[in-house]
Amino acid sequence: AQTVTQSQPEMSVQEAETVTLSCTYDTSESDYYLFWYKQPPSRQMILVIRQEAYKQQNATENRFSVNFQKAAKSFSLKISDSQLGDAAMYFCAYRNRRRDDKIIFGKGTRLHILP
Amino acid sequence: GAVVSQHPSWVICKSGTSVKIECRSLDFQATTMFWYRQFPKQSLMLMATSNEGSKATYEQGVEKDKFLINHASLTLSTLTVTSAHPEDSSFYICSARAVRGTDTEAFFGQGTRLTVV
Repeated sequence: AQTVTQSQPEMSVQEAETVTLSCTYDTSESDYYLFWYKQPPSRQMILVIRQEAYKQQNATENRFSVNFQKAAKSFSLKISDSQLGDAAMYFCAYRNRRRDDKIIFGKGTRLHILP
Repeated sequence: GAVVSQHPSWVICKSGTSVKIECRSLDFQATTMFWYRQFPKQSLMLMATSNEGSKATYEQGVEKDKFLINHASLTLSTLTVTSAHPEDSSFYICSARAVRGTDTEAFFGQGTRLTVV
C-alpha cells in the first residue's frame, strides 16, 4: 500500500522569506503523480503543484517549486517570497497513474506566515 | 479549471435522521468521483470511490449501509448519511475526475460541514 508522510505538523516563516515543506512517500509503483494541495481556512482544496514521476525535471509554478528525489522517495515544496495569503494547511499527495485511481494524502503541514 | 459544486455547504441534522450531500461537476463529465471525510485538524480520508452506473467501492472500515453513495449520472454523485449520529459530524469533501487528454485531473468541491445534534 502506498503511504505519504509529512513530518512537520506546523511551520512558520517570515513574510518574504523562503520555506520548505517536507514530504516522503512509499510505493512500489513506477508510474505515479505527486501533488501539493493547499487548504486555506475556507477548506477548499487548491492544487498548488503537480509532478509526474517519469519527469526528472522539478515542477515549478511561479513562487512554488518542488525538489523531487525519486530514488529517495522525497518530494519537498519550496515557497519563495512567502506572502500572507500562503498561510494554509498544505497536503502532500500521491496517485498512481491509473486513470481512476484515488489520491492518498499526507497528514498535512500547517504553515503560518509571520508579518 | 473545471468546477465541482457541493451542496449543501453546511447542514445540521438531528440524531437518527438522514442527510444527503450532492456533488456536481458543472462543466465536465465525471465517470469517477471520490468522497473524503476530514476531521478537524486532520487529513482527508478516502471513504469511497463512486463510478457512474455502478456500485461504489468503499474503503476498509467504512460502513456502506451507513454512507450510501449513488452516482446516477455523469455529473452527479450523492452521499447519504443514514441514521446520523454525533460521531458522524465531520467535513465531507467530494472530488470529481475530469479527463484531460490521455490522463485525468481531480477537482474538489468546497466541502460540506455536517453537524449532528
